[in-house]
Amino acid sequence: EAQVTQNPRYLITVTGKKLTVTCSQNMNHEYMSWYRQDPGLGLRQIYYSMNVEVTDKGDVPEGYKVSRKEKRNFPLILESPSPNQTSLYFCASSPGLEQFFGPGTRLTVL
Amino acid sequence: AQKITQTQPGMFVQEKEAVTLDCTYDTSDQSYGLFWYKQPSSGEMIFLIYQGSYDEQNATEGRYSLNFQKARKSANLVISASQLGDSAMYFCAMREGFFSGGYNKLIFGAGTRLAVHP
Repeated sequence: EAQVTQNPRYLITVTGKKLTVTCSQNMNHEYMSWYRQDPGLGLRQIYYSMNVEVTDKGDVPEGYKVSRKEKRNFPLILESPSPNQTSLYFCASSPGLEQFFGPGTRLTVL
Repeated sequence: AQKITQTQPGMFVQEKEAVTLDCTYDTSDQSYGLFWYKQPSSGEMIFLIYQGSYDEQNATEGRYSLNFQKARKSANLVISASQLGDSAMYFCAMREGFFSGGYNKLIFGAGTRLAVHP
């Protein structure tokens, strides 16, 4: 089944404790992206990747890192999470037009 | 400047009736794409419909249609014959053209929460 998977789906952590949210797609898409969703703001892009080893900042990249060592994986790294990074995170991949979203990761930073 | 505006934070509709969810956008590109996504309470993002800026016909997908008025920069979603399962958050999104630098992301509106009543 073609899909984008994210892990974990839910995470509660504390300020400053490094964490990684994994994202994997099995559709051989070159393009992958991370968004965060906050009430009243819709989804905003954090980082995107056009291909392996090619990444760039989106609209809200502060406090996040990404890597793209393999085509299928695009992990989101929070080196020192803060409470303002409490949000719902979506990974997406795209063959060109439509973006396929993962199920989301709900992160709470205390 | 907000590029996607959804002015209706919440809407309700009676089952079996049609409902229109508003979306206006702002871009100076000639080439762009408009999307609608549905987000049920379970949280996933479900693609509904797409309209390209050069498409002459309004897009339709089953009970969903997009009322595209280019001069007014609006891309309203029309859901016909509403069902209880249509209750969800709906997002309008835009992808700008290649040369604008906005090609690599979707710009989302704040969303409209639709409640379908029996």
